[in-house]
Amino acid sequence: DTGVSQNPRHKITKRGQNVTFRCDPISEHNRLYWYRQTLGQGPEFLTYFQNEAQLEKSRLLSDRFSAERPKGSFSTLEIQRTEQGDSAMYLCASQPGLGDTIYFGEGSWLTVV
Amino acid sequence: AQTVTQSQPEMSVQEAETVTLSCTYDTSESNYYLFWYKQPPSRQMILVIRQEAYKQQNATENRFSVNFQKAAKSFSLKISDSQLGDTAMYFCARNYGGSQGNLIFGKGTKLSVKP
Repeated sequence: DTGVSQNPRHKITKRGQNVTFRCDPISEHNRLYWYRQTLGQGPEFLTYFQNEAQLEKSRLLSDRFSAERPKGSFSTLEIQRTEQGDSAMYLCASQPGLGDTIYFGEGSWLTVV
Repeated sequence: AQTVTQSQPEMSVQEAETVTLSCTYDTSESNYYLFWYKQPPSRQMILVIRQEAYKQQNATENRFSVNFQKAAKSFSLKISDSQLGDTAMYFCARNYGGSQGNLIFGKGTKLSVKP
């Protein structure tokens, strides 16, 4: 039984560089979510997809952030021109359908130096 | 603002004892879900227990139970017979917009179970 897989697990990057995180959801899960979690805080919603359609984006998702889910399978979250404030754990979660519980991955830690 | 508040940043409990974690929330929705998630160190977040707001009966999952007070918008988690493996961050959350994936989380309570 494979759960939600996220890669890379850790990324250290210099300010101004671009980074991309990948999330592979549980097979046949239609919905996929991205959250961000900073130290000492609970996760904050960023965006979600139903199949390949991005249905909601948080105001936290500035224009430097872009998420895609081509073909409704894996998803990528790209952060352009990273800033120190982007340092956080980026969590992905998938959900079979609207009324179901979501399942989180282990997260991708980003440190911007 | 529609928020979730956990007023206890840290708690500790002796192994085999009982501990209660507090949570209050705000919402304008008439039907919603409430959740407690557990996040062990460097491990993924997992669902501990969930409560549907329209159900009056408090949810129970083995050693975990909730005290849901809808009028007071309170949702506390009781852990009975605490085990060392219960050591983790615990997050209270509620959903919005009808999906159990659109969640608003509290800041969490760090629970330490001591031998």
